[in-house]
Amino acid sequence: GAGVSQSPSNKVTEKGKDVELRCDPISGHTALYWYRQRLGQGLEFLIYFQGNSAPDKSGLPSDRFSAERTGESVSTLTIQRTQQEDSAVYLCASSRGGGITQYFGPGTRLLVL
Amino acid sequence: DAKTTQPTSMDCAEGRAANLPCNHSTISGNEYVYWYRQIHSQGPQYIIHGLKNNETNEMASLIITEDRKSSTLILPHATLRDTAVYYCIVISNTGNQFYFGTGTSLTVIP
Repeated sequence: GAGVSQSPSNKVTEKGKDVELRCDPISGHTALYWYRQRLGQGLEFLIYFQGNSAPDKSGLPSDRFSAERTGESVSTLTIQRTQQEDSAVYLCASSRGGGITQYFGPGTRLLVL
Repeated sequence: DAKTTQPTSMDCAEGRAANLPCNHSTISGNEYVYWYRQIHSQGPQYIIHGLKNNETNEMASLIITEDRKSSTLILPHATLRDTAVYYCIVISNTGNQFYFGTGTSLTVIP
């Protein structure tokens, strides 16, 4: 079936505005992850959803960041009061379960002016 | 989860085998070795993974040392499209996070 999709592919916003990033995982994948990748750097874990369990939010950098997931489908990452240091590529991945092969989406490139 | 060490960058001639090393000296018995790659401006792509035995698929081979403290990803005939950053990650089968380091930037040279 289709792979992981993310929208928008690119987002330019002004400092202080809120943004919402969307992830559609592969159908049937119970686990969903969000990562952040700053320019020239490796991936930074943000949050992990697994089925109906409480999400692992240990990677969220501040309380301006939050994420939701509807059942085992779509997830939304919200960044409130964006700052310039939030500029990065935000990647979503899904897998059939925790700790096994993850399949990544193309990412959303966020630029905060 | 165990951490990994990889060289920052490597070059490989087109058509030759690319051998990418990874050290994971603190790996524990239930941790797998995963390899992903990221081509510029794209999301990471799964390549291969293994526990103890060497593994091969259509993309690459994975050689894991007997003590499991290091591994090598082999691209048997590198092409220009293999130019990417290659990430080596170790994670247990109960782990829920993949910790990506900065990886090895492989450049395939014509």
